[in-house]
Amino acid sequence: AQSVTQPDARVTVSEGASLQLRCKYSYFGTPYLFWYVQYPRQGLQLLLKYYPGDPVVQGVNGFEAEFSKSNSSFHLRKASVHWSDWAVYFCAVSPSSGSWQLIFGSGTQLTVMP
Amino acid sequence: EAGVTQSPRYAVLQEGQAVSFWCDPISGHDTLYWYQQPRDQGPQLLVYFRDEAVIDNSQLPSDRFSAVRPKGTNSTLKIQSAKQGDTATYLCASSPGLGSYEQYFGPGTRLTVL
Repeated sequence: AQSVTQPDARVTVSEGASLQLRCKYSYFGTPYLFWYVQYPRQGLQLLLKYYPGDPVVQGVNGFEAEFSKSNSSFHLRKASVHWSDWAVYFCAVSPSSGSWQLIFGSGTQLTVMP
Repeated sequence: EAGVTQSPRYAVLQEGQAVSFWCDPISGHDTLYWYQQPRDQGPQLLVYFRDEAVIDNSQLPSDRFSAVRPKGTNSTLKIQSAKQGDTATYLCASSPGLGSYEQYFGPGTRLTVL
């Protein structure tokens, strides 16, 4: 069965520092992959999506992610973190077999220090 | 374009009481999803519809939970006889449907069962 693992429940970085949030997926085949962000007391907002093609995808607010089939990973990166990036980040997978479901990881809480 | 709207935003119940959540998806989106998000966890799919038809309700606790989308637009999720374990945020999402795996989320309803 497909699954998503976000191994880091909490990540703390200083404002202006670079960021990587890890995501590992389990799926036999080539999945569609997503990163969502959830600000306090709000719904989830789509940051970026991967459909089979270029392994590096760009998203909003300077975020990017890289798909690696060999590592079954889809890590999120940002070159310089801003205080407004303080939020919970979720990685999600959708099987490319015609299922329209999303399977989410448990999320990573990002804290930005001044 | 208006986003996904949900009401109420908050609900507090005693065990055994019933509650209904309402969702208005983005206009033109034929696919609608209900998720349950326990505290500090990722969203977990409960049920989803294409138009008025239930596509998958295998994760819906059918003895107490029900969901309808009678005209293929708005949707209602109902919990009969709530339990403390139902405490969570209930998220509604919509998608344009075939060919798009992107889901757009509402702000959620935060349910507390005492």
